[in-house]
Amino acid sequence: GQQVMQIPQYQHVQEGEDFTTYCNSSTTLSNIQWYKQRPGGHPVFLIQLVKSGEVKKQKRLTFQFGEAKKNSSLHITATQTTDVGTYFCAGEFGAGKSTFGDGTTLTVKP
Amino acid sequence: DAGVIQSPRHEVTEMGQEVTLRCKPISGHNSLFWYRQTMMRGLELLIYFNNNVPIDDSGMPEDRFSAKMPNASFSTLKIQPSEPRDSAVYFCASSTTGGGITIYFGEGSWLTVV
Repeated sequence: GQQVMQIPQYQHVQEGEDFTTYCNSSTTLSNIQWYKQRPGGHPVFLIQLVKSGEVKKQKRLTFQFGEAKKNSSLHITATQTTDVGTYFCAGEFGAGKSTFGDGTTLTVKP
Repeated sequence: DAGVIQSPRHEVTEMGQEVTLRCKPISGHNSLFWYRQTMMRGLELLIYFNNNVPIDDSGMPEDRFSAKMPNASFSTLKIQPSEPRDSAVYFCASSTTGGGITIYFGEGSWLTVV
């Protein structure tokens, strides 16, 4: 089946360090979304990327969609303790259904 | 603007009992999803409805699980009989249909089967 692989599974950083999580698909995606789930919470939509090579920024977060629309990344600059949580990518292959990656859980040491 | 509403938020039940989880999607959304999340298996899509019709139920674990969507504003996920391995957080989510969907999650139903 169509899968979205996400790495790393866990990332521990010191506050102020950068963080990156990657998503990869073996087939071309229609689009990709990123979600954040705080501990004990529910996934919350962050952003959607649609175009090949698209780059979007939200404050310290930078999202990229690969040229081939098969991979994506989320980069956080100078992490803060408020960034802790699990970051999921979700790729849409079509048919109105997204496939979620397994998530990257970020912990930030103050 | 109400989001996806789930009930109950927490439930503790004994093995063998029937569990019914309820969901009200966001008004105007025509796709509804039931997910299960555990530490071991992550976020799993159980079933997906579009316009109240089940489109993909390949993620439903076994016959003990069933889901219905009798109308556009209500869905249920039922487990009968429940087992301890069903303990998880069950999320309902909804979205519009078409290119570039955004999925809105409810706060989840935390189920513990003892």
